[in-house]
Amino acid sequence: EAGVAQSPRYKIIEKRQSVAFWCNPISGHATLYWYQQILGQGPKLLIQFQNNGVVDDSQLPKDRFSAERLKGVDSTLKIQPAKLEDSAVYLCASSLNPGGWGSPLHFGNGTRLTVT
Amino acid sequence: EDQVTQSPEALRLQEGESSSLNCSYTVSGLRGLFWYRQDPGKGPEFLFTLYSAGEEKEKERLKATLTKKESFLHITAPKPEDSATYLCAVTTGNQFYFGTGTSLTVIP
Repeated sequence: EAGVAQSPRYKIIEKRQSVAFWCNPISGHATLYWYQQILGQGPKLLIQFQNNGVVDDSQLPKDRFSAERLKGVDSTLKIQPAKLEDSAVYLCASSLNPGGWGSPLHFGNGTRLTVT
Repeated sequence: EDQVTQSPEALRLQEGESSSLNCSYTVSGLRGLFWYRQDPGKGPEFLFTLYSAGEEKEKERLKATLTKKESFLHITAPKPEDSATYLCAVTTGNQFYFGTGTSLTVIP
């Protein structure tokens, strides 16, 4: 089966600019997650979708980050305006069932964002 | 507070030198523990799911075990291609909690 697709793979922007990331999950996976991974740390959840509804966005910095999942398939994550501390890898993951019941998370290869 | 702690942070092994990585957790209502492998520049790759104490899973040179408070990833006779960061994650059914990983280097 095709894996989780993400684009772009790399992005360099200046602070205060905006950026958007795209994710296409594994076909049939209803649950989609966006994670932020800073070098040397484990992934940190930003937002979780179940179909096209938000399940958990408690750790999403809503003053600058936004995400949507139209039609319950593809998703985009946007940062506007970006700060230096947003430099990280942004990982998208999907799973068959929410919360890991009976199925693990499957990750894409991420987008490495550098904010200068 | 729910959390996951992995040790050691980094491990260097000679090729063929077996060892174990540890993942200890304190969560209310464990519903699953997952091991992932992450290579530089890539996303985590799923290895194993463990659901209950006493459960074991094996894949090639890797064997994962689970107790009520921790999990071990045993690596038998590792090869240089086993070099990667190994991440542990637990789920309560509502949320996933990730450890910070163990960076494994296997020297030829």
